[in-house]
Amino acid sequence: QVQLVQSGAEVKKPGASVQVSCKTSGYTFTTYYIHWVRQAPRQGLDWMGIINRSTGSTNYAQKFKDRVTMTRDTSTSTVYMKLSSLTSKDTAVYYCAIGGAGFGDPFDPWGQGTLVTVSS
Amino acid sequence: EIVLTQSPGTLSLSPGERATLSCRASQSVSSSYLAWYQQRPGQAPRLLIFGAFSRATGIPDRFSGSGSGTDFTLTISRLEPEDFAVYHCQQYGISPLTFGGGTKVEIK
Repeated sequence: QVQLVQSGAEVKKPGASVQVSCKTSGYTFTTYYIHWVRQAPRQGLDWMGIINRSTGSTNYAQKFKDRVTMTRDTSTSTVYMKLSSLTSKDTAVYYCAIGGAGFGDPFDPWGQGTLVTVSS
Repeated sequence: EIVLTQSPGTLSLSPGERATLSCRASQSVSSSYLAWYQQRPGQAPRLLIFGAFSRATGIPDRFSGSGSGTDFTLTISRLEPEDFAVYHCQQYGISPLTFGGGTKVEIK
């Protein structure tokens, strides 16, 4: 079955950048989109953007557009999400999730999540 | 952007009772691109319902979704112990994709 395995927890200082990886397995790598979603402590889910794992094309949510970069490495079936200029408000669990053919498909399955803590 | 408002914020019920969760959209959700996810403590969300009423693979039939346009409902017919969790609705038709604030179903 399809599986997403994310990289481990990170602790970063304000102003730094963080890169989270999401390795996919169990299906044809090029046939799906990957979304990134974050969840701040005791908060709801916040969509960050989407990447086409075949073409590498991206679509970012406006609120993250200036600070987020999503990339993919087809040789390792891994996608990456980099967030820069971190502040304490970026402390959250970051999830990747498969989004089928893109907009119009629900998120299923999800990775296990990566906790990013921003603290001086 | 489409704003999704979930109510109530917390639902206190006993095992075996029926749970009714609401999700209201600020504008019509096209083609019922409305999903529900379950999130247990310390876990990632899990897809329950998509297309407003279709159950995802492996989801028991005590979970059902209904609604259209701007008003959607998730119903759990008889709560099992493992159903006490947070439930999120999501619209996935129009960018930016958005989620509701969540409803926590807790044991009374």
